[in-house]
Amino acid sequence: NAGVTQTPKFQVLKTGQSMTLQCAQDMNHEYMSWYRQDPGMGLRLIHYSVGAGITDQGEVPNGYNVSRSTTEDFPLRLLSAAPSQTSVYFCASSQDRGVPEAFFGQGTRLTVV
Amino acid sequence: EDKVVQSPLSLVVHEGDTVTLNCSYEVTNFRSLLWYKQEKKAPTFLFMLTSSGIEKKSGRLSSILDKKELFSILNITATQTGDSAVYLCAVHTGNQFYFGTGTSLTVIP
Repeated sequence: NAGVTQTPKFQVLKTGQSMTLQCAQDMNHEYMSWYRQDPGMGLRLIHYSVGAGITDQGEVPNGYNVSRSTTEDFPLRLLSAAPSQTSVYFCASSQDRGVPEAFFGQGTRLTVV
Repeated sequence: EDKVVQSPLSLVVHEGDTVTLNCSYEVTNFRSLLWYKQEKKAPTFLFMLTSSGIEKKSGRLSSILDKKELFSILNITATQTGDSAVYLCAVHTGNQFYFGTGTSLTVIP
């Protein structure tokens, strides 16, 4: 019973590098989302998807790309990492946009130096 | 601008105490309000509230929503050390969720 799986758990990047954070869910959920969590800022929505082939921007989308080619996977791409993107990233899924109870992955702690 | 504000930011209590955590919101297109508990890692779901005045209860935790005054409270009675966590409030507006910064609760034995 995997739920939402995020990889990697930890990552250190140099400024300007690119990388992809992986997120997969096995609950056949339509709605998936990415958040970043910073001290004193709470969880902020980066991008979300209401189904395969459909993505949209959240509160803080700049510097990140997403795609949703399958129901199960929702990767987050950092195009050119900056120190301001140092954060803990969470992926979440829920049944659909009308059922908001979200299941979260265990998080990825990203440090950009 | 949509926003969710939680108070207090942090709280330290002794085991057995009762605590009340607050969440106020200003959003367009309110659909529901959710409470999560975050220990070391991923937030875990506690409650979802959609209607005013109807208390949701799970063991020692309970929550209620006031859609007129735009706030919710989360009560924890007879606190235990295992209740130590950050409690997050989130508002669902259809496609998006807006989270508060959380209340950090520490329960001292």
